[in-house]
Amino acid sequence: QSALTQPPSASASPGQSVTISCTGTSSDIGGYNYVSWYQQHPGKAPKLMIYDVSERPSGVPDRFSGSKSGNTASLTVSGLQAEDEADYYCSSFAGSKNVFGGGTKLTVL
Amino acid sequence: EVQLVESGGGSVQPGGSLRLSCAASGFTFSSYWMHWVRQAPGKGLVWVSRINHGGTSTNYADSVTGRFTISRDNAKNTLYLEMTSLRVEDTAIYYCTRENGWYYNYWGQGTLVTVSS
Repeated sequence: QSALTQPPSASASPGQSVTISCTGTSSDIGGYNYVSWYQQHPGKAPKLMIYDVSERPSGVPDRFSGSKSGNTASLTVSGLQAEDEADYYCSSFAGSKNVFGGGTKLTVL
Repeated sequence: EVQLVESGGGSVQPGGSLRLSCAASGFTFSSYWMHWVRQAPGKGLVWVSRINHGGTSTNYADSVTGRFTISRDNAKNTLYLEMTSLRVEDTAIYYCTRENGWYYNYWGQGTLVTVSS
């Protein structure tokens, strides 16, 4: 069982928006503003999409956004495109360790 | 260009040992915390271990504490993961990652470790 809880799957049609949740505790997500999100295509290494809850690295489209409320973080992808189909993982600093969510498979219908 | 290149993976029997290496280039290696993250086949990412800039502070996931040891050689720009008493459930791709303020902005391509009898 993963430390952070994500829905196993999400889906939406091209052009639509989808939000993926990531629930933790006050010891990780709720205690720090150090949530990050990673995109992983099959057979590839993960890629950083969001850091520090809502910051986007250079090169990541502004269609990707992050937020947090209490112990739950969220990743929203708007204007979905076919290339957004991938697995998405949240991660949080948790004091003496780091933790990941179990991952969400995003399908673009 | 930042590069992280893992090596040392392979097949080993339960109870065996392996040492993974991660050769870093394109940045000042000694300035960054480094981590190992693993991914079992068809499963999610799992944090394994981290080490500070100078190698004086380390942390481990509960599942590997006492069996794995992370270390680094800043003169050789190389990160290591010594794995002993390996179990079937340690089978995974092991990624070397560079931390930049509590997130990972660079990842290696991973090295596969298979523990099987």
